[in-house]
Amino acid sequence: RKEVEQDPGPFNVPEGATVAFNCTYSNSASQSFFWYRQDCRKEPKLLMSVYSSGNEDGRFTAQLNRASQYISLLIRDSKLSDSATYLCVVNNHGDSSASKIIFGSGTRLSIRP
Amino acid sequence: ETGVTQTPRHLVMGMTNKKSLKCEQHLGHNAMYWYKQSAKKPLELMFVYNFKEQTENNSVPSRFSPECPNSSHLFLHLHTLQPEDSALYLCASSQDKVAGTEKLFFGSGTQLSVL
Repeated sequence: RKEVEQDPGPFNVPEGATVAFNCTYSNSASQSFFWYRQDCRKEPKLLMSVYSSGNEDGRFTAQLNRASQYISLLIRDSKLSDSATYLCVVNNHGDSSASKIIFGSGTRLSIRP
Repeated sequence: ETGVTQTPRHLVMGMTNKKSLKCEQHLGHNAMYWYKQSAKKPLELMFVYNFKEQTENNSVPSRFSPECPNSSHLFLHLHTLQPEDSALYLCASSQDKVAGTEKLFFGSGTQLSVL
């Protein structure tokens, strides 16, 4: 089983729709969670951290379910500019914490007019 | 000015060449990383430096040799690469490695093609 798993998509939704995707992680000791966004042929950029209580940033809502070991990203009122690949990132920490930063393969989202 | 700058943006090299990738961060961060991104694969961590000291070598072949002269600069020296090493090489930095400061800021990457 992969340490971090995402549905690769692509998710193809109309502009204005609400879309959600999940990411599951295998290590129950994981401590930090993030969503990054990567545009085609560009570098990943931090979209938002994911906190235990859930958090919202404008049209984006991230949630963490520790019991089921998944995090989710919800995008409301989607825009054409939301088209990108969304990377789930889990940090397990440990003695060498940076080495435990695990990236998922990403979920491709395409918003159509 | 972007926070993390990588050069060159594109590189084509033969298997017998020697080349170097350069990364510079202007964010005052203490940790720097090299990642490899191949098509349809997740990002793979290669090396980590914290306060100029290498803290992680993720079983990377010796044909990749990192160098970190100071907290702001990171190099990846390449020699006798193989075609399967063709990929996007991304440099990243973070404030530190401890929890809460490990948010990564990436450079634009070097698209490497090995012929």
